Amino acid sequence: GDSVTQMEGPVTLSEEAFLTINCTYTATGYPSLFWYVQYPGEGLQLLLKATKADDKGSNKGFEATYRKETTSFHLEKGSVQVSDSAVYFCALRSNDYKLSFGAGTTVTVRA
Amino acid sequence: NAGVTQTPKFRILKIGQSMTLQCTQDMNHNYMYWYRQDPGMGLKLIYYSVGAGITDKGEVPNGYNVSRSTTEDFPLRLELAAPSQTSVYFCASSYGSSGKGKTDTQYFGPGTRLTVL
Repeated sequence: GDSVTQMEGPVTLSEEAFLTINCTYTATGYPSLFWYVQYPGEGLQLLLKATKADDKGSNKGFEATYRKETTSFHLEKGSVQVSDSAVYFCALRSNDYKLSFGAGTTVTVRA
Repeated sequence: NAGVTQTPKFRILKIGQSMTLQCTQDMNHNYMYWYRQDPGMGLKLIYYSVGAGITDKGEVPNGYNVSRSTTEDFPLRLELAAPSQTSVYFCASSYGSSGKGKTDTQYFGPGTRLTVL
C-alpha cells in the first residue's frame, strides 16, 4: 500500500538557518504530494502541494519538488524564523482521495 | 466561513463510557474524514464519507462508528471507551467529487483531545 517516510525529529535550528526535511514515498501510480504544517495547539494546515513529477510547490518561503526518479518530496526553507516552529507532515494522495501521512517532524527554531 | 469546527476541544472519559465527537463544515464539501493522531505518529484514517448517507472504513475503524445524515455534519461515536482510544482526533473535509481528483485539498478542524482513564 501507499506509505510515506519522513526524516525523524526533533530538529532544532537557529533563526536564519537552512531547513531541510526529507520525505520519500511508496505508491502505485502517480500520487499527489503534500506538506502540511501543525502549529502548537492547532489543526493541520496545507503548506504546499505538487501534483505531478518535477512540479515545485512553494508557500511562505518553503519549497518542495516532486522527484519521481527518487520518489522524494523534500521540504526546504532558506532562512527560518521562530514562527516556523511547528510539526511538519509529508503526505500523499492516490486516486482514492485518501491521504497517507508520514509520522511528522517537529521543528524548533531558536532566536 | 468558519471552515471545519469540532467540539469538544478536550474531554476525559472513564473506561466503558461513550461519547460523540462533533464535526461540522460550512464549505459544502462532499467528502469528510476522521483521523486520530497519536504521539510521534502520523495521522491514521478512522472513517470517511463521500456524501450524505455514505460512509466507509479507514485504517483503524475498530471501536468507532460514524453517520452522515447531512452534508455539513459527520459525528464520530465511541461506544465503549478504552485507554487505547486516548488520542487527538481531527476531522477534515474536501470537495472530493468535484473533478479535482487527487489534487483535492483536505481542510482540518482544530482537533479534540480525548483521554480515557
